[in-house]
Amino acid sequence: DADVTQTPRNRITKTGKRIMLECSQTKGHDRMYWYRQDPGLGLRLIYYSFDVKDINKGEISDGYSVSRQAQAKFSLSLESAIPNQTALYFCATSDLGHDYNEQFFGPGTRLTVL
Amino acid sequence: SQQGEEDPQALSIQEGENATMNCSYKTSINNLQWYRQNSGRGLVHLILIRSNEREKHSGRLRVTLDTSKKSSSLLITASRAADTASYFCATDAFQGGKLIFGQGTELSVKP
Repeated sequence: DADVTQTPRNRITKTGKRIMLECSQTKGHDRMYWYRQDPGLGLRLIYYSFDVKDINKGEISDGYSVSRQAQAKFSLSLESAIPNQTALYFCATSDLGHDYNEQFFGPGTRLTVL
Repeated sequence: SQQGEEDPQALSIQEGENATMNCSYKTSINNLQWYRQNSGRGLVHLILIRSNEREKHSGRLRVTLDTSKKSSSLLITASRAADTASYFCATDAFQGGKLIFGQGTELSVKP
């Protein structure tokens, strides 16, 4: 969905490096999410935010941190990358105003940690 | 642990055939959603079914929900090669707006 963008799209980094993945959205949604996808494991929630002042840990937050800089921006950081953080990372948004939370996904960032 | 378990993990059919994927979940839900993912791309929402609904249609998609069995199925009729993708169920289980995704079914439609 072009309304949700992620940068970079691909990144190769080394163990121990700090890396930031960025997500921007033009949908005007309040809720934003970070997931990682590994083969055979589906999507697992890392962090989510329901507004600028709200940050919540998801299922697998260890080794990650996030920043909600504005309603439209939600960044994911790996303070010291390790090889088992190699995965496909997705940002998603949803609208607080709906009575159900259909999520809109970005194109993903493929991260490789050597 | 994952809320949704999908079955089968992989499905290969010929163009024109129907494809059925199943999803089971563990807790009470507000709604259940199905998403599609083309290889390496972001997920795209297909259809949502609320807990008080039993069946829903959208084009060639038919979704059923059996809350007594905590299960849902997605049927794609008259499949096309372009339907080749992974399909995920996701449950809204009254957890403050979070969705819990299943592991997905990888569908391959051969021309």
